[in-house]
Amino acid sequence: EAGVTQFPSHSVIEKGQTVTLRCDPISGHDNLYWYRRVMGKEIKFLLHFVKESKQDESGMPNNRFLAERTGGTYSTLKVQPAELEDSGVYFCASSQDPRAGDRPDTQYFGPGTRLTVL
Amino acid sequence: LAKTTQPISMDSYEGQEVNITCSHNNIATNDYITWYQQFPSQGPRFIIQGYKTKVTNEVASLFIPADRKSSTLSLPRVSLSDTAVYYCLVAGGATNKLIFGTGTLLAVQP
Repeated sequence: EAGVTQFPSHSVIEKGQTVTLRCDPISGHDNLYWYRRVMGKEIKFLLHFVKESKQDESGMPNNRFLAERTGGTYSTLKVQPAELEDSGVYFCASSQDPRAGDRPDTQYFGPGTRLTVL
Repeated sequence: LAKTTQPISMDSYEGQEVNITCSHNNIATNDYITWYQQFPSQGPRFIIQGYKTKVTNEVASLFIPADRKSSTLSLPRVSLSDTAVYYCLVAGGATNKLIFGTGTLLAVQP
């Protein structure tokens, strides 16, 4: 079974540009999450999708960030316009419906996308 | 959500047993304790989860005393490849939001 995949693995852009990160969850996982770690800080929750619906977006830092999950499969996270403080590693994770056995805090993470804003 | 406290770093040698303790004094009745492992340039990986007493799987054991205010992750006979950051998280069943602390950087030496 393929794990969570993320694309690209690295992205270097200039301040003011737009970047779109993609996450493909484990097949069949209804829950999809975005997290990020900015330099020197802890991994922070951004938002949670259940299928195509945003369940919790309390961690989104501001309206420059837009996450979508059309069709309930893969998700994109767009940063527009990017600022210097957006640099960091963006992780995507997915989990099963709890009725399938796993608890909600059993999440499967992708390798992350390292974003550098110059 | 309960806050956790764990050592910033630990050193060990190959073949030793390593125990990493996590404090979670404000744990709630419905909270579970979950440990994740993270290697450099990878995302966190779920390794073990428990509610009380002892849980063991092929990777580690988790010991939780009766008051549940702390837990200990035990890694038997570590190898160099166990060098990683280990995160202790506490969460209730209704939440999907994982809250990561600083984790414990375990460095295993030959």
